[in-house]
Amino acid sequence: GENVEQHPSTLSVQEGDSAVIKCTYSDSASNYFPWYKQELGKRPQLIIDIRSNVGEKKDQRIAVTLNKTAKHFSLHITETQPEDSAVYFCAASRIQGAQKLVFGQGTRLTINP
Amino acid sequence: SQTIHQWPATLVQPVGSPLSLECTVEGTSNPNLYWYRQAAGRGLQLLFYSVGIGQISSEVPQNLSASRPQDRQFILSSKKLLLSDSGFYLCAWSLGNGETQYFGPGTRLLVL
Repeated sequence: GENVEQHPSTLSVQEGDSAVIKCTYSDSASNYFPWYKQELGKRPQLIIDIRSNVGEKKDQRIAVTLNKTAKHFSLHITETQPEDSAVYFCAASRIQGAQKLVFGQGTRLTINP
Repeated sequence: SQTIHQWPATLVQPVGSPLSLECTVEGTSNPNLYWYRQAAGRGLQLLFYSVGIGQISSEVPQNLSASRPQDRQFILSSKKLLLSDSGFYLCAWSLGNGETQYFGPGTRLLVL
């Protein structure tokens, strides 16, 4: 089955700097890769997702890149702000009826003012 | 717009007691429904998913079970809770192929 590895487990950056979180996956048939943000005690919220027919997707300060050959994808947050502090999860699945998302272990991102 | 509800929000149960967690979705029809568990400080693990009434697929063999008695209702149950069942239980829904999964507010379960 699918296995998703996420790095780093913790990341601390200065406000205004960029943050990058990386994930690798094992199942070459996976073709859907969402990123979720989870604040303490809250539900995960989707922030961006990418499908395997594109290599990059951007939404304001957030971007995701996908390298299908190497089976890895990354989340890029630019001009970080204190409200970006949270735990971020990557996930992977095949698009086939019900999506069986396999999640990474999460990255705790701290933005220092 | 669509809304997903879970209850209870928090639950403290003794070992060996039964469990019933409920999830309902409003504003959509025939959603795919999912149960996840998140252990403290960990990622999310898919427990069950359902593509229709009465159709349940289990991802992890354990003492939990799921049922879908109505189109927009998903229930997670156990006959006898274990200490290891403690965690944050999240219900999620999505539409058909390739659609985003949206999570409910979750139920925090502590088994003592």
